[in-house]
Amino acid sequence: DAMVIQNPRYQVTQFGKPVTLSCSQTLNHNVMYWYQQKSSQAPKLLFHYYDKDFNNEADTPDNFQSRRPNTSFCFLDIRSPGLGDAAMYLCATRSSLTGNQPQHFGDGTRLSIL
Amino acid sequence: DQQVKQNSPSLSVQEGRISILNCDYTNSMFDYFLWYKKYPAEGPTFLISISSIKDKNEDGRFTVFLNKSAKHLSLHIVPSQPGDSAVYFCAASEENSGGYQKVTFGTGTKLQVIP
Repeated sequence: DAMVIQNPRYQVTQFGKPVTLSCSQTLNHNVMYWYQQKSSQAPKLLFHYYDKDFNNEADTPDNFQSRRPNTSFCFLDIRSPGLGDAAMYLCATRSSLTGNQPQHFGDGTRLSIL
Repeated sequence: DQQVKQNSPSLSVQEGRISILNCDYTNSMFDYFLWYKKYPAEGPTFLISISSIKDKNEDGRFTVFLNKSAKHLSLHIVPSQPGDSAVYFCAASEENSGGYQKVTFGTGTKLQVIP
């Protein structure tokens, strides 16, 4: 089945220690998104890639970076995680080639900061 | 500034009855609306959507209604089943000519269907 896969499902890191979350897709979608979701809150868009073009949301902290080496993979790098960065991180993909289409989500990575 | 609001954090419904989940939005530029369903420890799963040019879209037990003048949409589930118990997110998007779709999510409504 075509899908969006996030690894790892659970990640624990120390305060200030860099961490990388990964997302891969077999849908061949040209757009990939990263969201942060905290408990009882709406998913918050951090940034997205439209093909190779990177688009950062205005309020995404500089601490958050992303890489997309090819169509299938996208990474979220948190350079110096703080306690406030503990959250669920969701990756989503979408094809922009056929009009309005829903985003397809992975199961998320839950990040804990010690 | 919450552009998409789900004012009911939770809803309980008896099995077999209708579940109605509500959502309000403020941005008149939204042109595509979606409902996602989320089980614990899983990512959101797309359920149903509606374009702003329609006022109703139906898919099996699920129907979404859009009232543009009131900036309101609702999801009806008939009949409700215990497997429908999940968190439901309302989402709205606007898309520019370049195909960039920005989706804004509500905070979710937790539906519990009681057997």
